[in-house]
Amino acid sequence: AQKITQTQPGMFVQEKEAVTLDCTYDTSDQSYGLFWYKQPSSGEMIFLIYQGSYDEQNATEGRYSLNFQKARKSANLVISASQLGDSAMYFCAMRADGSSNTGKLIFGQGTTLQVKP
Amino acid sequence: EAQVTQNPRYLITVTGKKLTVTCSQNMNHEYMSWYRQDPGLGLRQIYYSMNVEVTDKGDVPEGYKVSRKEKRNFPLILESPSPNQTSLYFCASSLSGTSGLYEQYFGPGTRLTVT
Repeated sequence: AQKITQTQPGMFVQEKEAVTLDCTYDTSDQSYGLFWYKQPSSGEMIFLIYQGSYDEQNATEGRYSLNFQKARKSANLVISASQLGDSAMYFCAMRADGSSNTGKLIFGQGTTLQVKP
Repeated sequence: EAQVTQNPRYLITVTGKKLTVTCSQNMNHEYMSWYRQDPGLGLRQIYYSMNVEVTDKGDVPEGYKVSRKEKRNFPLILESPSPNQTSLYFCASSLSGTSGLYEQYFGPGTRLTVT
């Protein structure tokens, strides 16, 4: 069965420092995609970054990077130079590829990040 | 502006009173889906649709119905709501449901309370 595990319910980081949010996944599929979403207190889901299972390089989007370690089945999100506006809940998600799949995103439980001034 | 819209954003209702949450996307996406978010459980898929007139159950479909008569719309219907359906609901769409390459765009969410 497919599963996403986020083991950090809550984290603190000092403004301007970097922080890593952990995500491990479990799947028997060879082709899949990994996503990170941000959910601020207002509730909307904001797409941050995507990593394909066959991508050899780690994905980066501005201050966000995804530390993809396929053998360890981990897809940690790194936020550099944290800002107060980064305070939010962060979800790791996975979707298996291929015509036999349903397109469903499997989500982890989320990690609440608080940035301290 | 490319977006997914949901209405209503907030709804308080009583047990057994039928309701519909609308969802519409303007990106010509084939794939649409409904999720519910509950504390400690993340988001779980309720129903999905690969294209017009093609819908199927997700992980938690009990008590819900959907339809996909047009590509842009994917309403969620609660025929007889119960308190355990109190949740935050998200509609999402993506270009394709079979490729992980395509991100899912989420609507703003509908907070439903059933008393």
